[in-house]
Amino acid sequence: EAQVTQNPRYLITVTGKKLTVTCSQNMNHEYMSWYRQDPGLGLRQIYYSMNVEVTDKGDVPEGYKVSRKEKRNFPLILESPSPNQTSLYFCASSLDRRLAWDTQYFGPGTRLTVL
Amino acid sequence: KQEVTQIPAALSVPEGENLVLNCSFTDSAIYNLQWFRQDPGKGLTSLLLIQSSQREQTSGRLNASLDKSSGRSTLYIAASQPGDSATYLCAVHWMDSSYKLIFGSGTRLLVRP
Repeated sequence: EAQVTQNPRYLITVTGKKLTVTCSQNMNHEYMSWYRQDPGLGLRQIYYSMNVEVTDKGDVPEGYKVSRKEKRNFPLILESPSPNQTSLYFCASSLDRRLAWDTQYFGPGTRLTVL
Repeated sequence: KQEVTQIPAALSVPEGENLVLNCSFTDSAIYNLQWFRQDPGKGLTSLLLIQSSQREQTSGRLNASLDKSSGRSTLYIAASQPGDSATYLCAVHWMDSSYKLIFGSGTRLLVRP
């Protein structure tokens, strides 16, 4: 089944403890992206990647890192999480790296709480 | 600044009613506009994608239109059903040097039986 998977789905952690949220897609998509969703602010893009070893900042990249060593995986890294990073996180992928002509497929989301 | 706005934030209608959801965006130089559905606690599901050269797209009871000159898109849902209850988001990809996607804050739809 074609899908985008994220792990973990739920995570409660403490300030400053490094964490990684994994994202994997099995559709051979070139474009992958991370978003956070907050009440009243909607979905905001954190980072995106147009292909292996090619990443770029979205609208809210501060406090996050990403890597794209393999086409299928795009982990989101929080080196020193803070409470303002408590949010619902979504990974998405798209076949066409230009994005313009293709639909994005979303993962189920990761609910992160930073105490 | 490129922004996407959706009004109203919430909408409640009786079953069977035809309804229209609105999305407006600044800057008409877009690549495409997408409509998504989000169920509570779930990820987003793409409903319709309209390229900048298109005026509308249809899928079943859904019809999305695009008017770039006025910076507007509408999502028309015919004969609404309780199963249509969800949050509907529109997202715009602009024709600049980046590959960012900007989302509206969504319209939360409730279809009452």
